[in-house]
Amino acid sequence: EVQLVESGGGLVQPGGSLKLSCAASGFTFSGSAMHWVRQASGKGLEWVGRIRSKANSYATAYAASVKGRFTISRDDSKNTAYLQMNSLKTEDTAVYYCTRLGSDWGQGTLVTVSS
Amino acid sequence: QSALTQPASVSGSPGQSITISCTGTSSDVGSYNLVSWYQQHPGKAPKLMIYEVSKRPSGVSNRFSGSKSGNTASLTISGLQAEDEADYYCCSYAGSSTFVPYVFGTGTKVTVL
Repeated sequence: EVQLVESGGGLVQPGGSLKLSCAASGFTFSGSAMHWVRQASGKGLEWVGRIRSKANSYATAYAASVKGRFTISRDDSKNTAYLQMNSLKTEDTAVYYCTRLGSDWGQGTLVTVSS
Repeated sequence: QSALTQPASVSGSPGQSITISCTGTSSDVGSYNLVSWYQQHPGKAPKLMIYEVSKRPSGVSNRFSGSKSGNTASLTISGLQAEDEADYYCCSYAGSSTFVPYVFGTGTKVTVL
């Protein structure tokens, strides 16, 4: 059974940093691209970014709204993907999902940016 | 990369059919047969309902079908049931050479009357 479990969410002040983790199991993590998708309360889904596999040079891509502030990385030895969020803004407040962008999604972790 | 355009809401009576549109551009929906549809109930993670325009994952009811014409993809729900009431999002691939390779739709709230 595929499982994606996010952790690391919480309350952070504007301008602060937070690192989310996504622990994966049940599939060949090293061969999969991993995505982060977020959803502000009452709003739609927003694709945040993705990291491809080693075979694809761990290529990353980001939404314009987070480019330069967020960094996605992965540790294939730990079957874990990460989302490092810096210079956080109030508009980054959302539930953040880790996903393979298909049938596999985590339960989400809430990030609240507020003073 | 702008969000794909979906109607904010669609409603229908039980047993009826409804169709949700998802309009993109020639750079995303129009260029790739890589449109997927997600169903999301309140407080839950999205669930994949359709992938690659018209394919259904195992376990998804055949009441759900997808299609595409030009820059617009569509999701049709036939024999509408109470449990179909949810938010629906389309998602399209926009190419590996673009800065933003994936884009979601604005979302559609489906109401079963």
